[in-house]
Amino acid sequence: AQSVTQLDSQVPVFEEAPVELRCNYSSSVSVYLFWYVQYPNQGLQLLLKYLSGSTLVKGINGFEAEFNKSQTSFHLRKPSVHISDTAEYFCAVSDRPGSQGNLIFGKGTKLSVKP
Amino acid sequence: DTAVSQTPKYLVTQMGNDKSIKCEQNLGHDTMYWYKQDSKKFLKIMFSYNNKELIINETVPNRFSPKSPDKAHLNLHINSLELGDSAVYFCASRNSGHSYEQYFGPGTRLTVT
Repeated sequence: AQSVTQLDSQVPVFEEAPVELRCNYSSSVSVYLFWYVQYPNQGLQLLLKYLSGSTLVKGINGFEAEFNKSQTSFHLRKPSVHISDTAEYFCAVSDRPGSQGNLIFGKGTKLSVKP
Repeated sequence: DTAVSQTPKYLVTQMGNDKSIKCEQNLGHDTMYWYKQDSKKFLKIMFSYNNKELIINETVPNRFSPKSPDKAHLNLHINSLELGDSAVYFCASRNSGHSYEQYFGPGTRLTVT
């Protein structure tokens, strides 16, 4: 069975500092990986996705993530965060293609950006 | 233009009542989902439908019954509500033939007292 581990439940950082949110997955098949962001009292919004090809994926709001197959990781990074980046971030893996596919989420990382 | 919408946004009710949450998507997707997010923010799949057919039915009490009248709608009916049902319920949709990402609604916060 596939699973996703987000290694940090909370990450506090100062504004304009770089940040990395860590995500590891376990899978015995090809993986499709995602990062979602949830702002307070809102639904989930897709930040970026890895399906195939280049291992460095760029997303919205200046975020990027790197797929590392040997380390089974898909860490999310941003070189300089803003107060508005304060949110919950979820890493997810799709377990199979087609209509049977489902997203398996990690437990989330709360990013708190302080002035 | 809201892509995935849910009603109501907030729902406060007493134990033992029956309630429904509605979801509609205007993205032309063929697959829709219900997720439950608990107080610790953990997201868990409950159901998924593809072209009105039930595809995924995780270990969810029988008190929860999804209904998909058409591809654009997926409703969730809950009987005999319990305190433990308090959570945020998210609807999502996807185009199964072309992509893997899911698009989420704004959520329905259910509080059972």
